[in-house]
Amino acid sequence: GAVVSQHPSWVICKSGTSVKIECRSLDFQATTMFWYRQFPKQSLMLMATSNEGSKATYEQGVEKDKFLINHASLTLSTLTVTSAHPEDSSFYICSAHPLAGGPGYYTDTQYFGPGTRLTVL
Amino acid sequence: AQKITQTQPGMFVQEKEAVTLDCTYDTSDPSYGLFWYKQPSSGEMIFLIYQGSYDQQNATEGRYSLNFQKARKSANLVISASQLGDSAMYFCAMREGNDYKLSFGAGTTVTVRA
Repeated sequence: GAVVSQHPSWVICKSGTSVKIECRSLDFQATTMFWYRQFPKQSLMLMATSNEGSKATYEQGVEKDKFLINHASLTLSTLTVTSAHPEDSSFYICSAHPLAGGPGYYTDTQYFGPGTRLTVL
Repeated sequence: AQKITQTQPGMFVQEKEAVTLDCTYDTSDPSYGLFWYKQPSSGEMIFLIYQGSYDQQNATEGRYSLNFQKARKSANLVISASQLGDSAMYFCAMREGNDYKLSFGAGTTVTVRA
């Protein structure tokens, strides 16, 4: 249980374009999803908290107009990197917090997607 | 101040031996949860084990056990009978109160030698 998918798993784009990353909880519902960014050999940095049906809460220093987050349903959150630049190249990971527990998963825990590697040329 | 501190950037362990990964935390909230995640080179974050602040017993999940010492504010992960597949980066994380956000430590890279 508690499977989270991300699409795409990797993407290469040109500077100035926008990229959308999807995060889906496949076998559970999640009112809250989180988006993280990770540089090589470093820890995860929380970018924003995404709540279904409401605006995302961004961490200090994260540009909300650059990283657009939409949480349209209990199983889907999207992160759009707008006008991407080379410095936005990174590993983006989402996680989902289950609305209720189930077989092999718990409400105390966040479950992570496999990540999306973004390279901006 | 750092909420989660992992002081070991990297460790080597012989196959079949046990290894302890250190984690200390800082919080004033009496209700909190502590987590360990494994991140192999593929990048996915794999949940390993959870310890609640009110749990009386140390958490165990198969070969993973969490040595929870509340007074010392430490939550060390013990991996018993290490396997080559255990080579990965390991992160300690904490949730405080009713907030579902996680604070992560810097991580420890474990390399298991045959």
